Amino acid sequence: DQQVKQNSPSLSVQEGRISILNCDYTNSMFDYFLWYKKYPAEGPTFLISISSIKDKNEDGRFTVFLNKSAKHLSLHIVPSQPGDSAVYFCAASSGNTGKLIFGQGTTLQVKP
Amino acid sequence: GAVVSQHPSWVICKSGTSVKIECRSLDFQATTMFWYRQFPKQSLMLMATSNEGSKATYEQGVEKDKFLINHASLTLSTLTVTSAHPEDSSFYICSARDGRWADEQFFGPGTRLTVL
Repeated sequence: DQQVKQNSPSLSVQEGRISILNCDYTNSMFDYFLWYKKYPAEGPTFLISISSIKDKNEDGRFTVFLNKSAKHLSLHIVPSQPGDSAVYFCAASSGNTGKLIFGQGTTLQVKP
Repeated sequence: GAVVSQHPSWVICKSGTSVKIECRSLDFQATTMFWYRQFPKQSLMLMATSNEGSKATYEQGVEKDKFLINHASLTLSTLTVTSAHPEDSSFYICSARDGRWADEQFFGPGTRLTVL
């Protein structure tokens, strides 16, 4: 039972363009969502998060959008840079437990 | 920023032996630590939640007698894989939550376990 899904295993974008990574969830009890960036053989690095009471959160080049009715969130990176190339995971939690449920990840490649 | 370390970063062991992995929060006190495992090209799967001074809470399907978790202090949690088998080979990652900011969770660099 995959409660958090990232249906696109990979995404390729040209440098300077926008990268949009998508994530869907099924559990309506989730109230906090996070995006992490991960390189092989390393732990995830926190990028940005959003509470369920908001529909948008922005931090520099990264913006996360949350559509609660559709149970969908997305991460926008603009402009994309080659250094953004990595695996991106979305994660969700509920009730301030700290327990994170991760999606499968999307590998982003930003081409120079 | 908060730093979480793991030791060892990689380990190779023979089938049937036990392996201990340490997770330390270096510059903050972690009231809660989490253990995840990741198989190649798959998601991170939560194994258990570890609270300082109490028993760990395991996720469904995770054998608590096989994956022993000890959270003896606010800066250290250990995961012991007992009687390891090749199917236990995986990437184990811990995370630590700072008690001051409940929403913040910091991940360690992970430990690659290979069981021969």
